[in-house]
Amino acid sequence: KNEVEQSPQNLTAQEGEFITINCSYSVGISALHWLQQHPGGGIVSLFMLSSGKKKHGRLIATINIQEKHSSLHITASHPRDSAVYICAVRSGTSYDKVIFGPGTSLSVIP
Amino acid sequence: DGGITQSPKYLFRKEGQNVTLSCEQNLNHDAMYWYRQDPGQGLRLIYYSQIVNDFQKGDIAEGYSVSREKKESFPLTVTSAQKNPTAFYLCASTPFLGGGETDTQYFGPGTRLTVL
Repeated sequence: KNEVEQSPQNLTAQEGEFITINCSYSVGISALHWLQQHPGGGIVSLFMLSSGKKKHGRLIATINIQEKHSSLHITASHPRDSAVYICAVRSGTSYDKVIFGPGTSLSVIP
Repeated sequence: DGGITQSPKYLFRKEGQNVTLSCEQNLNHDAMYWYRQDPGQGLRLIYYSQIVNDFQKGDIAEGYSVSREKKESFPLTVTSAQKNPTAFYLCASTPFLGGGETDTQYFGPGTRLTVL
């Protein structure tokens, strides 16, 4: 069993739909990261959170430490949101202890 | 603009040859990392470095080597000992290894290596 799992693996949505990507993990963590990988391969950090909820524009990330679960929500989805979204957990304070999920591939159709 | 550059974007290598992937950052970050990404799998740590002239093995270091002679540069050599080198390689950096509350990891654009 992978220590970080994501669902769904692939997701296709119509423009404007509300999207949810889930991440569950089985290890103790100090922080959870949501990353966006563009079709060309470059990765951008979206959120880093250790509790509660964070919002940036149309993106919302939540985490439930007790349930070891996090969700990434995208409101009013747009074709430019098409990317792979990666959940990564950091155990301890250092970045050499980061476990990456397999990613969720999102395609938003006009 | 500050950031991380990796070159080349695409690289082809004949089996049995060593090849070096470049990673340069002008963010003045202390820590740098190399990851490998395979289809359907999460990124896996190959090597990381906290300071100049020092580096540590990650989870999958066999068949790879690195150097850190300058703060801004962390090249990765894929040797002929790496049995399955075809993959997407990503370089990243952070201000320091022990990430603080607001520290985030910055990634380069990646190099796609194909062994022919």
